[in-house]
Amino acid sequence: DQQVKQNSPSLSVQEGRISILNCDYTNSMFDYFLWYKKYPAEGPTFLISISSIKDKNEDGRFTVFLNKSAKHLSLHIVPSQPGDSAVYFCAASAIPTQTGKGANNLFFGTGTRLTVIP
Amino acid sequence: GAGVSQTPSNKVTEKGKYVELRCDPISGHTALYWYRQSLGQGPEFLIYFQGTGAADDSGLPNDRFFAVRPEGSVSTLKIQRTERGDSAVYLCASSLNGGSLHEQYFGPGTRLTVT
Repeated sequence: DQQVKQNSPSLSVQEGRISILNCDYTNSMFDYFLWYKKYPAEGPTFLISISSIKDKNEDGRFTVFLNKSAKHLSLHIVPSQPGDSAVYFCAASAIPTQTGKGANNLFFGTGTRLTVIP
Repeated sequence: GAGVSQTPSNKVTEKGKYVELRCDPISGHTALYWYRQSLGQGPEFLIYFQGTGAADDSGLPNDRFFAVRPEGSVSTLKIQRTERGDSAVYLCASSLNGGSLHEQYFGPGTRLTVT
């Protein structure tokens, strides 16, 4: 059962325009959300994160928005650059269970391949 | 500083064989994680170490999979009697301390192919 979903496998955007990548989740115990960027033959690289107590976090060209009631988050990249072309993964981690398990692993979506066209 | 490194980068093995995959975390990181990424999927959690102990191994798919971290730094993921379905990229990550508020830094992965 996929608890983190990225329903768009790919997205193409013109250089200089905004890229919006979307992510939905089903588990209400998730309290921390992250975006990772992945180039071919490399591991995912942390990009930006947001705690469930916030609804927006901004870092340079990257902004993550969280809508807890809709269980939805999005990553905005403005302006998009050709070097942003990569696969973007949304990930979430959960409030610890009584046994302490489940809090230290990330649940990933299936990724969205972003292509920024020069 | 050096990031997370994993060896080998590629491993091809025959069905039924035993394999070991190695992870060197970032120096000073106490938390270490193993994930598996199958084609077209996101990384899937396998096991988490805090120091030398496996704090959460709930993601290991069956008893053919085992991981160790004897001195609290390098970790080895061991797979016995490999099956074709084990073919995937195995990712290792480390973080300064466990818990949901610290980002995990990933290595480049080991691509395992079971023929």
